[in-house]
Amino acid sequence: GQQLNQSPQSMFIQEGEDVSMNCTSSSIFNTWLWYKQDPGEGPVLLIALYKAGELTSNGRLTAQFGITRKDSFLNISASIPSDVGIYFCAGLRSNFGNEKLTFGTGTRLTIIP
Amino acid sequence: NAGVTQTPKFQVLKTGQSMTLQCAQDMNHEYMSWYRQDPGMGLRLIHYSVGAGITDQGEVPNGYNVSRSTTEDFPLRLLSAAPSQTSVYFCASSRGTTFEQYFGPGTRLTVT
Repeated sequence: GQQLNQSPQSMFIQEGEDVSMNCTSSSIFNTWLWYKQDPGEGPVLLIALYKAGELTSNGRLTAQFGITRKDSFLNISASIPSDVGIYFCAGLRSNFGNEKLTFGTGTRLTIIP
Repeated sequence: NAGVTQTPKFQVLKTGQSMTLQCAQDMNHEYMSWYRQDPGMGLRLIHYSVGAGITDQGEVPNGYNVSRSTTEDFPLRLLSAAPSQTSVYFCASSRGTTFEQYFGPGTRLTVT
């Protein structure tokens, strides 16, 4: 089955730095979602995007729905220790009524002390 | 609201044993789904349900059965566990198929 290409796979940054990650696909998606997963927990929804070109913020997080509808981007500004975790993108596309969520393989964010 | 709840949190099975992973949601969501998460693989869809009495296969359904007799509950059954089913299992629900999904805390399953 298809999975979205998410990059980078991992990031090692210092506290206070900005973070950028992206998700790409060869197929068009109608909805893009960004999740964060803490160790031992389920993914938690951060941002949902519904329209090509849409730019949405949630605190220090900003996500964009790519204009081609084949990609999405997530930025985190001024990272803090609680940003550590795995970030997943997910895309939703209509498939004759059987809409299914497709996930990226994740970006693991580590903050270096 | 408790959201999506899963039990147990951890389970160890021997090859060939059967068990049921429980999932419940109290948000009156129509859509529920089961995923497995393996290292480096992200989340892969096992089975899903668009409403009570309706289920369908996802990307990796082999070795798993589901049923949806009520809106609230969506159990996942392993009929004969295999080591390849060692994974972390997540249940999720959403208002409909086009809405964002909310995940439970997961069940970590080890099959020896």
